[in-house]
Amino acid sequence: GAVVSQHPSWVICKSGTSVKIECRSLDFQATTMFWYRQFPKQSLMLMATSNEGSKATYEQGVEKDKFLINHASLTLSTLTVTSAHPEDSSFYICSAIENRGRETQYFGPGTRLLVL
Amino acid sequence: EDQVTQSPEALRLQEGESSSLNCSYTVSGLRGLFWYRQDPGKGPEFLFTLYSAGEEKEKERLKATLTKKESFLHITAPKPEDSATYLCAVRSNQAGTALIFGKGTTLSVSS
Repeated sequence: GAVVSQHPSWVICKSGTSVKIECRSLDFQATTMFWYRQFPKQSLMLMATSNEGSKATYEQGVEKDKFLINHASLTLSTLTVTSAHPEDSSFYICSAIENRGRETQYFGPGTRLLVL
Repeated sequence: EDQVTQSPEALRLQEGESSSLNCSYTVSGLRGLFWYRQDPGKGPEFLFTLYSAGEEKEKERLKATLTKKESFLHITAPKPEDSATYLCAVRSNQAGTALIFGKGTTLSVSS
């Protein structure tokens, strides 16, 4: 149990376009989801915390108008990278908290974004 | 400020050579310490959660322990398939539901 999926697994886009990444909790409901970014050989950097039915909370230095997060249901959160530029190329990973027991956080498989 | 430090950054072992990875933490009220395994190009895979000093968890060749200042991930008789980056993370009273990650230890096991 406790499976989190992401779609797409990788995407290549042109500079200036927008890209949407979906994160789904497949077998549990997730009131809270998180979006991380990871650069090569570095650890995960938290971008924002997404709560179902309310606005996301962004970490310091993360542009909320560039990284739009929507958590419309208890099983789906989306991250939209607007007007993407090459510096936005990265590995984006979502996670979800399973509210059974002690709030273990489960991660999706990640989405590799390459902006040309 | 909450902080998590993992050591060593990289570890090379021969198959069967047991060792330990360290995770030192400084937090304002520990609400859980988490170990994850991450393979290249994939998301972290949950391994263990520890909540209080003295607690231990085991899974196959892995055993995690916790004290008031650090956690160890012991790997007994590792195999090449244990090669991965092992991440330690904490949840604290200050950080709410978010996890604070260390930089990870990259383990390579050769046959």
